[in-house]
Amino acid sequence: SAVISQKPSRDICQRGTSLTIQCQVDSQVTMMFWYRQQPGQSLTLIATANQGSEATYESGFVIDKFPISRPNLTFSTLTVSNMSPEDSSIYLCSVEAETYEQYFGPGTRLTVT
Amino acid sequence: DQQVKQNSPSLSVQEGRISILNCDYTNSMFDYFLWYKKYPAEGPTFLISISSIKDKNEDGRFTVFLNKSAKHLSLHIVPSQPGDSAVYFCAASGYAGGTSYGKLTFGQGTILTVHP
Repeated sequence: SAVISQKPSRDICQRGTSLTIQCQVDSQVTMMFWYRQQPGQSLTLIATANQGSEATYESGFVIDKFPISRPNLTFSTLTVSNMSPEDSSIYLCSVEAETYEQYFGPGTRLTVT
Repeated sequence: DQQVKQNSPSLSVQEGRISILNCDYTNSMFDYFLWYKKYPAEGPTFLISISSIKDKNEDGRFTVFLNKSAKHLSLHIVPSQPGDSAVYFCAASGYAGGTSYGKLTFGQGTILTVHP
């Protein structure tokens, strides 16, 4: 399984500001994913990030609000832009192994005030 | 539209007994299913998976059963241990082409409490 780290682990931000979350993997992977878990809810996919191409966003998520970078096969960033309290969530990145299961990072707990 | 459902928000089990967690899905395109365990303040930990060509997969104390006709899967934990207390999520995926399954659709989770 891959070892995945995320920075920051948590943050408290003011509304209207932006936060960039970093995801680092200890091995090269093709597919990286960004999920959100709102309080008391399940995990929801935001977008899929492949190296060398634009991220693919799920319904309800747009690039202007959640821009993603994928500069190489071990790293990705997710930015939460122009934040509002409704963006308070845990943000998780994951990678897909060759045997198709996904492994998750520890998550970034974001609180917007 | 909840395509993956875990209808039991919580389950309480005595240590040493069997824990059975259930999951139903509606999308017939799903052909790969996974179970994750999640502790507070941590990311989900992969436990076990099953593809639609099988009806059972076992890994130590964990066994997943898949009933395709009923669109139902279950996770059995035997024997249950206090350290198994966590939130359990089932997830489903359909083949996305190439070498990837891609997007996981998650259930709402079941809180398992194992009492000593």
